[in-house]
Amino acid sequence: EPEVTQTPSHQVTQMGQEVILRCVPISNHLYFYWYRQILGQKVEFLVSFYNNEISEKSEIFDDQFSVERPDGSNFTLKIRSTKLEDSAMYFCASAQDRDYGYTFGSGTRLTVV
Amino acid sequence: AQTVTQSQPEMSVQEAETVTLSCTYDTSESDYYLFWYKQPPSRQMILVIRQEAYKQQNATENRFSVNFQKAAKSFSLKISDSQLGDAAMYFCAYRIRTSYDKVIFGPGTSLSVIP
Repeated sequence: EPEVTQTPSHQVTQMGQEVILRCVPISNHLYFYWYRQILGQKVEFLVSFYNNEISEKSEIFDDQFSVERPDGSNFTLKIRSTKLEDSAMYFCASAQDRDYGYTFGSGTRLTVV
Repeated sequence: AQTVTQSQPEMSVQEAETVTLSCTYDTSESDYYLFWYKQPPSRQMILVIRQEAYKQQNATENRFSVNFQKAAKSFSLKISDSQLGDAAMYFCAYRIRTSYDKVIFGPGTSLSVIP
């Protein structure tokens, strides 16, 4: 069964450093998302991406965050200057038809120290 | 405000028994989709079942079924013949069909299955 692949599975970074989280969505999917889950808390929407542009973003997704689909297969989330509160599990998801639910990746655990 | 409430932070069920996880949500919209996602210890979230708000018939997917009460804004998940592999965090979620792209998740219910 097709999968959404995320790398790395765990990343530790120093506060203030830039990180790039990578995702390979399912190849025929059209909608791409990033969500995050702070330990023990609910899953929060960050951003959605369709037709090579952001279609919606949350208040969490400020100027420190950006997304890119550089080559038609990868979908990346960049955090320019990480803060301690950015520590969370970051999930990438994709959908062929967003009304039918997403396929999630296994997540990247980001730890900012 | 768009919110999802799952009033049971933790639940347990004996293997082979039936358990119901509750969910209520708040929206003024009439056209939306409801979902239950399962998150096992491996952390990957898996779609369990989906319901279209304009359909009165409750969705069923093998041992998983829902009780959708639109007027009450309630969307509970019933797991029949519970198996050890059902142990996971379960998230209720919804997406408004028009205008919004994001899915709103509830806080989750942690389900334990007792052998």
